[in-house]
Amino acid sequence: SQQGEEDPQALSIQEGENATMNCSYKTSINNLQWYRQNSGRGLVHLILIRSNEREKHSGRLRVTLDTSKKSSSLLITASRAADTASYFCATDGANSKLTFGKGITLSVRP
Amino acid sequence: GAGVSQSPSNKVTEKGKDVELRCDPISGHTALYWYRQSLGQGLEFLIYFQGNSAPDKSGLPSDRFSAERTGGSVSTLTIQRTQQEDSAVYLCASSFEPGVRNIQYFGAGTRLSVL
Repeated sequence: SQQGEEDPQALSIQEGENATMNCSYKTSINNLQWYRQNSGRGLVHLILIRSNEREKHSGRLRVTLDTSKKSSSLLITASRAADTASYFCATDGANSKLTFGKGITLSVRP
Repeated sequence: GAGVSQSPSNKVTEKGKDVELRCDPISGHTALYWYRQSLGQGLEFLIYFQGNSAPDKSGLPSDRFSAERTGGSVSTLTIQRTQQEDSAVYLCASSFEPGVRNIQYFGAGTRLSVL
C-alpha cells in the first residue's frame, strides 16, 4: 500500500515562482526523502530529513517535516524550466525498504 | 565507479516469452532494490537484496517473477511467461547504508513492452 501520498498531483507554474509540494504518510518513520525523476530517467535523491528535524535546506530546496501531522513539504524557490520533472516523497520502513508516493508532476513554464 | 547501470534500456518481447533484466549497482553498495513503475504511477517495490540474500521478496507480483544477485554485485530479474500487464519500466537502485540513511541511487531503468 502507498505510504507517502503527494499533493497536488500536478503543478504548473511560471519560471521564477516558488513551487510547494506536499506529502502525507501513515505510519511512524525514521526519515523522509524527496526524489526527482526527469522524463525517461531514474530517480535522483534530493534531500533527506530525519524524524527529529523540522526543517532542512539545500540550495533552492527547503523541506519541512511535521511528524504530529505526518506530513512534509518540499519548496523549490525561484523555479527554473530545468526543474520540470516528477517529484516523489519516500518514507523508510521495515527491512530497509523505502515506500514511494505516486509523485507530483511539476511543469515550469519559461 | 559510475552510477547504477541497467540493461537493456528497452526490451520488446512477445507474450509468453521469458525476459532477463540486468542491474549493475554502484561498487561497494551492499543493498540492491528492484522496483516497477507503470505509466504515470509511483514505484512499486519488488525485491530487496542485502549482499546475495533477499530478506524481502514481498513485492514480487507472482511466481513468474524471480531475482538473484551474485557476488554481492550484479543482479538479474527474470520474468517468465511474460504477460501484457508486465509492461512497465523496471528500475534498479542500490544503497550504501540501507539501515541508516538508505539514500538510494537509481539506474535509468529497463522499459519492457510485452506485445
